[in-house]
Amino acid sequence: QKEVEQNSGPLSVPEGAIASLNCTYSDRGSQSFFWYRQYSGKSPELIMFIYSNGDKEDGRFTAQLNKASQYVSLLIRDSQPSDSATYLCAVSGMNYGGSQGNLIFGKGTKLSVKP
Amino acid sequence: NAGVTQTPKFRILKIGQSMTLQCTQDMNHNYMYWYRQDPGMGLKLIYYSVGAGITDKGEVPNGYNVSRSTTEDFPLRLELAAPSQTSVYFCASRSLNTEAFFGQGTRLTVV
Repeated sequence: QKEVEQNSGPLSVPEGAIASLNCTYSDRGSQSFFWYRQYSGKSPELIMFIYSNGDKEDGRFTAQLNKASQYVSLLIRDSQPSDSATYLCAVSGMNYGGSQGNLIFGKGTKLSVKP
Repeated sequence: NAGVTQTPKFRILKIGQSMTLQCTQDMNHNYMYWYRQDPGMGLKLIYYSVGAGITDKGEVPNGYNVSRSTTEDFPLRLELAAPSQTSVYFCASRSLNTEAFFGQGTRLTVV
């Protein structure tokens, strides 16, 4: 029973296009939502976090959260070849284990941006 | 400020051997995590801790043990290593409702 679901891809978009990455989670009590980017052989690095329903924009990135639908997404505008990586969705505060301090990751979506 | 430091970076173990993966953070974070990442997969939570003296099981705790005697350190112990434990291990830390910072990872091979 997976708690955080992502389409594993690969998702291929042309340079300059919008890439849309999606994530669903199973626990309505979840509190914090994160998008990480991971290049091959490297550690994950934070792209954005979001706590409240609605949109949050940072440069070319927009995170969208809909708690009623248990859905969080990441839009990347004007995609660049350097955006090619695996994007990991992470959810905190789920009722999993002994406390809500956990941080559960999805399987990741591999994005490829073609020049 | 070194962030999250993991050692070693690489290790080869023989089946049945034991080892401890070290993780130290200097950001005074209460929350610390151990994950494993198999090829082409996401991160699976092994154990986590919300403070010194408190640890909880994650998604895949079997075959591992942890302790948290100080805020800074969160070692992961592998007893009786098995080939199924071949993976890349990441340690991470954070404060509540903030981003998690990751170490550089430990690539473990069990042969």
